[in-house]
Amino acid sequence: EAGVAQSPRYKIIEKRQSVAFWCNPISGHATLYWYQQILGQGPKLLIQFQNNGVVDDSQLPKDRFSAERLKGVDSTLKIQPAKLEDSAVYLCASSLTDTSGRANEQFFGPGTRLTVL
Amino acid sequence: RKEVEQDPGPFNVPEGATVAFNCTYSNSASQSFFWYRQDCRKEPKLLMSVYSSGNEDGRFTAQLNRASQYISLLIRDSKLSDSATYLCVVNIPMIASAGGTSYGKLTFGQGTILTVHP
Repeated sequence: EAGVAQSPRYKIIEKRQSVAFWCNPISGHATLYWYQQILGQGPKLLIQFQNNGVVDDSQLPKDRFSAERLKGVDSTLKIQPAKLEDSAVYLCASSLTDTSGRANEQFFGPGTRLTVL
Repeated sequence: RKEVEQDPGPFNVPEGATVAFNCTYSNSASQSFFWYRQDCRKEPKLLMSVYSSGNEDGRFTAQLNRASQYISLLIRDSKLSDSATYLCVVNIPMIASAGGTSYGKLTFGQGTILTVHP
C-alpha cells in the first residue's frame, strides 16, 4: 500500500519569499493533517481537514500560511511571505475518519525540510 | 502548563537495560493516548496505543494513570535499534465549529530522546 507522499523533500528560500508544499494522502483516508516540527520539538498541528472541509486551523498563522484541499484528496500548504522562524519540517499525515471524537492512527509522509535564510 | 509534557532527556542506556519514560497531560477530557517513535530525520510512526488497563507488546509496556494524568512507556532489554525519539501523544475530542461533527485532535509532546549504546 502506498504511503503518504510529499514534495518537495527539501526547500531553501530567502525570507519574504513564497513557498508551497504538496501532499497526497493514503487512498481512502478522509482526514488530512499538516504539522510543523521545529528542531527539538514535537509536531505541532497547523490544520486538519475532513474531506475538503477544515475542522481545525486554530494554530495556523493565517496572516502568512494558507492551505487547501479542494477535491478532498491532495492538499497544498503555502507560506507567503516566509520568515526565518518558519524553518522547520512540514509533515503531512492522513488517517481514516472517526466521528466519535477518537483519533485513528495517523500515517505520516516523509516531510518537507524548509530552510529560510 | 503545556498540554503534553515529557522529559526531553536524552536518556543514554547500555544494551539490555530497562528504561522508562513518563508523560503528563493537562486536559482531563483526553480520551486516547499513544506512543509514537521518530527516528532521526524520519517521520513519526505509531509504536503503540495506550489502553486503560495497560498493554504490552513484546519488550514494550505502556500504562495509563487517569487519576494522575500521566502515561508511561517501559522498554525492557534495550536494543541498539531502540535509539530514537519517543513522542507521547494525547487525543482530545473536539467539536468542529461547522457541522458539529466530533473529531479527535492529537497533541504531541516534545519527545524524549533515547540512545542505546553497546
